[in-house]
Order: sequence, then C-alpha cells, then structure tokens
Amino acid sequence: GAGVSQSPSNKVTEKGKDVELRCDPISGHTALYWYRQSLGQGLEFLIYFQGNSAPDKSGLPSDRFSAERTGGSVSTLTIQRTQQEDSAVYLCASSPQGLAGGVLPYNEQFFGPGTRLTVL
Amino acid sequence: AQSVTQLGSHVSVSEGALVLLRCNYSSSVPPYLFWYVQYPNQGLQLLLKYTSAATLVKGINGFEAEFKKSETSFHLTKPSAHMSDAAEYFCAVRPIQGAQKLVFGQGTRLTINP
Repeated sequence: GAGVSQSPSNKVTEKGKDVELRCDPISGHTALYWYRQSLGQGLEFLIYFQGNSAPDKSGLPSDRFSAERTGGSVSTLTIQRTQQEDSAVYLCASSPQGLAGGVLPYNEQFFGPGTRLTVL
Repeated sequence: AQSVTQLGSHVSVSEGALVLLRCNYSSSVPPYLFWYVQYPNQGLQLLLKYTSAATLVKGINGFEAEFKKSETSFHLTKPSAHMSDAAEYFCAVRPIQGAQKLVFGQGTRLTINP
C-alpha cells in the first residue's frame, strides 16, 4: 500500500520568501506529525494533529511557522519570510487510530521521505 | 522533560562483527522506546519498539534491543554486521501518557568496513 508521501522532495528558495510543504498521510491514519531534521539540532518535533482535536503546536520554533490539516487528511506546513536557519529536511509522519479511538503512544509513526528545504 | 542520549555519533565496525549502538533515556517513568533507521535520502523506518511487554525486543533485519530500567538504557545490537546495515540510527522516546511526540537522540551513523 502507499506510504506517507511528501512534496516537493526538494525546495530551494530565497531568504524572505514563503514556502509551503505538503504531506499526504497513509489513508485512514488519524494522527499526523511534522518534524524537522537539521545538522545542528537533530530531529525536532514541530506539530501534531489528531483527528478533530486542537493541534499540539508546542514545537513550532516561531510564529513564521504554521500548519493546517484539511479534512483530516492532507497537511500543509507553511514557513513565512524564510530564513537561512530554516534550511533543513522536513519530515512528516502518520499513525493509525487505536482501539479506543485515540492514538496509542506505542503505535508506530510511519515517516515520509521528507522535503529538503534550502534557503539561500 | 524526557531526553535521549546516544553515545557515539559515529560507529564503525567490520562486516560480520557485532554491532552495538548505545541509547540512554532520561525519564522519571519508563517511557516507550523506539529505534529507527534512516538510509541515505530516505525517511525513517522503525526497527523495533519497547512497550513494556518484554525487556528483550527483536526487530527487523536481525536487530534487537534490551530495555534495562536500572541503567535507563535501550541499546541496539546485531550479532553480525552486514554491508547493508550502513545507515543512521535514531533512538527515540515517547511518554506513556501525555504528549504524543517522539523525542529523538542525535543519531549514530553506522559504517561497515569490508
């Protein structure tokens, strides 16, 4: 079956421009996560969506970062006024729903291949 | 807050030798623990996970890890390294209750020498 897909695979942009990164989770997965992987910071959590609940935005590094998830499926991560320190690989992951309707904490997160963002 | 420490950013072993990648966690309550592997230009793939059912966990590709509460460790091992094991390995924790996010270690790059 299809895994998590992300687009574009690579994005080069100029400092100050806005970018949108897209994530298509595995069909039926209720939870969706965004992480950032950079040389200096390793893998960092950005934001988490679960069903219709309010997202956990605790990992977003600044108010230039935002994300939405439409219809409980596709998600878009938007970075406004990009800075060079935003250069990183942005990874999306999704998890299935548990028996009680929530996401069990030990459920596997399935990762997409990532979007490599380069800010010049 | 929970944290994960992976000792050794780079590990190099010979083909056929034992692989040992170290992971220690910091948490007042034993969390759920995961090992992920990342091959070049690919996303992360789950190798194995500890969910308190058994302390010795077997994963894919011949890897296993042992949870030791007294040492707050979850080291990853494989008896005999193969060239295809060359990749970056990440240990991650997730609390049993509360936040759903994974907290990752810094990663260990494994190189296999022929």
